[in-house]
Amino acid sequence: EEQLVQSGAEVKKPGDSLKISCKGLGYSFTNSWVGWVRQMPGKGLEWMGIIYAGDSETRYSQTFQGQVTISADKSISTAYLHWSTLKASDTAMYYCATYDYVPGTFSVWGQGTLVTVSS
Amino acid sequence: SSELTQDPTVSVALGQTVRITCQGDSLRSYYGNWYQQKPGQAPRVVIYDKNNRPSGIPDRFSGSSSGDTASLTITGAQAEDEADYYCNSRDRSGNVVFGGGTKLTVL
Repeated sequence: EEQLVQSGAEVKKPGDSLKISCKGLGYSFTNSWVGWVRQMPGKGLEWMGIIYAGDSETRYSQTFQGQVTISADKSISTAYLHWSTLKASDTAMYYCATYDYVPGTFSVWGQGTLVTVSS
Repeated sequence: SSELTQDPTVSVALGQTVRITCQGDSLRSYYGNWYQQKPGQAPRVVIYDKNNRPSGIPDRFSGSSSGDTASLTITGAQAEDEADYYCNSRDRSGNVVFGGGTKLTVL
């Protein structure tokens, strides 16, 4: 069974850095795309970016370009979402999901990682 | 950039049929996908690539597409179908877009 398992909730201060993770289980992580999606409290889903685990080809939403870094380590079947400088407005639930490139489908979702940024 | 437009709220009487729509230019080139999200849960795909259902999704869920509009139809809505529903697609540049979401209430 395909699964994505995300790292646990984080509480950080403005200006901190953070990297959250998403581990793929039960499928060929290397030959797949993984996407990240933000959901701010009480709001809808926002696409952040996608990465192809095989060669780390990455595509970002214009909204998130330069704000976060998406990476992957295929040797341990794990994708990452990294912030160098967190802001209070980064407080949100973050989901990773497997991404089927042609139909643009997010097929299997992680359980989500809640990031809280507060002074 | 691409946008997808959904009605914010839709309601349906128990056992009746409801259609949720999603409109945007990217849907002229790529079929839409639909996700269901219940409170406190991660989203899950209910329809992908126009009208394909993942295993485990009841056959009362179906999808269709015409022009720049994708639709999700629930035939015989059940209480457990009350949720937020999001559409998404990709565009020619490979970017991904989500609709704003529709809150479905089952009366």
